Amino acid sequence: DTGVSQDPRHKITKRGQNVTFRCDPISEHNRLYWYRQTLGQGPEFLTYFQNEAQLEKSRLLSDRFSAERPKGSFSTLEIQRTEQGDSAMYLCASSPTEGRSSYEQYFGPGTRLTVT
Amino acid sequence: AQSVTQLGSHVSVSEGALVLLRCNYSSSVPPYLFWYVQYPNQGLQLLLKYTTGATLVKGINGFEAEFKKSETSFHLTKPSAHMSDAAEYFCAVSEGAGGYNKLIFGAGTRLAVHP
Repeated sequence: DTGVSQDPRHKITKRGQNVTFRCDPISEHNRLYWYRQTLGQGPEFLTYFQNEAQLEKSRLLSDRFSAERPKGSFSTLEIQRTEQGDSAMYLCASSPTEGRSSYEQYFGPGTRLTVT
Repeated sequence: AQSVTQLGSHVSVSEGALVLLRCNYSSSVPPYLFWYVQYPNQGLQLLLKYTTGATLVKGINGFEAEFKKSETSFHLTKPSAHMSDAAEYFCAVSEGAGGYNKLIFGAGTRLAVHP
C-alpha cells in the first residue's frame, strides 16, 4: 500500500524566490489537505480539496500562496516571493470520502522549507 | 471555534514507567478526537481516534486514551514506556461527521524516555 508522498523533502531557497511543492495522495483518496507546521508548534490547516475543487482556504494562505489539484490526483502548493516567515514544514494529508476511514487523515513525510 | 490544549510541552519518564500525556479540547459540537505521533523529520502517524461509542479507545504501540465529555479531556496513556516511544505527540479535534474533517491540533508534547 503506497502512502502519501511529497516532493521535495527539503528545499532551501533565497528570500524572494518562488517555490513549488508536490503531494501525491493515496490513490483512492478524494480528499486532500495541506497543513503548515512551524518549529515547536502543531500543524495548522492551510487548504482542502475534494477531487479537483478547492473548497476551503485558511486566512493563513496569503495571496502569495496558491494550491492546485488539476485532475483530482496530485496537488501542488506554490509560494511566490518567499519570506523568511515562510520557513516551515509543509505537510500534505489525504483521506477517503466514504467509509469508516473517511475521518482519518494520512500524512505524508512533509517538505521542509528554509528561506535564507 | 474549536481548540486543543496540551498540558506540558515536555514530558520525561523512565523506561518502564507510566506515560500520561494530557489533552483538553473545546468544541461546540460532538468532537472527533485524535492522537498523532511524529518522529524527527517525519510526517504524522495516527495512534488512535475517538468518534462515537466506547469512550476508552486503544491504539497502536500499546497506547490508549479515554474520552471524558464532562472534563472535555482525551488524555493519552501507556502503562510502560519504551525507549522507542520518544517522539512528539499531537492531540487533534475535528468537527466529525458530515463534510470534511479539518483538524485542529494542539501545540504538541515532546516525550523523552530515559533508561
